[in-house]
Amino acid sequence: AQKITQTQPGMFVQEKEAVTLDCTYDTSDQSYGLFWYKQPSSGEMIFLIYQGSYDEQNATEGRYSLNFQKARKSANLVISASQLGDSAMYFCAMILRAGNQFYFGTGTSLTVIP
Amino acid sequence: KAGVTQTPRYLIKTRGQQVTLSCSPISGHRSVSWYQQTPGQGLQFLFEYFSETQRNKGNFPGRFSGRQFSNSRSEMNVSTLELGDSALYLCASSLGGHPNQPQHFGDGTRLSIL
Repeated sequence: AQKITQTQPGMFVQEKEAVTLDCTYDTSDQSYGLFWYKQPSSGEMIFLIYQGSYDEQNATEGRYSLNFQKARKSANLVISASQLGDSAMYFCAMILRAGNQFYFGTGTSLTVIP
Repeated sequence: KAGVTQTPRYLIKTRGQQVTLSCSPISGHRSVSWYQQTPGQGLQFLFEYFSETQRNKGNFPGRFSGRQFSNSRSEMNVSTLELGDSALYLCASSLGGHPNQPQHFGDGTRLSIL
């Protein structure tokens, strides 16, 4: 069963605008972690931001913020002031406390338009 | 500090051969995970090692195997290669003790089967 769902295969955003990438997850565990990764065309996976299931405040890391809505089981990534270098694939991932396996979504391809 | 190092970066093999990929984790990281990434299937979890023991295993045939050494370096072996094994193989390391620890990825090994 799909544990992480990213419904947007591709997104476009104008440079300097904000963009939201959607992620929903499925688990009955109470303790879990949510992550976002960026994968440029060169292939490396870059860790962006983390949100714990017990964290009450939304995580922020520079221009990245995670809009965590626990009741809706969503963990959307918000990128503010988009830059051309933000063009990449973005993956949402979850790890359950009960295990050590990361579950990845299918990714969203973001293109920033000058 | 040095990141996750995967060798080789590129590899070309023919059907029926076997291959060994190497991964050196970030210093101090004891957990190493392997993923297969293909355009059609996305990121698929292969297995995870922690302190030389396989803790988790994905849904791959027995042709895919791995091991971890006492210095946390890990190798992945694929025997009797098939055309469908062509993929980017990513290794990721983490401290491994808590679900709030992100996995840090290497640049991957791109394996092509002719």
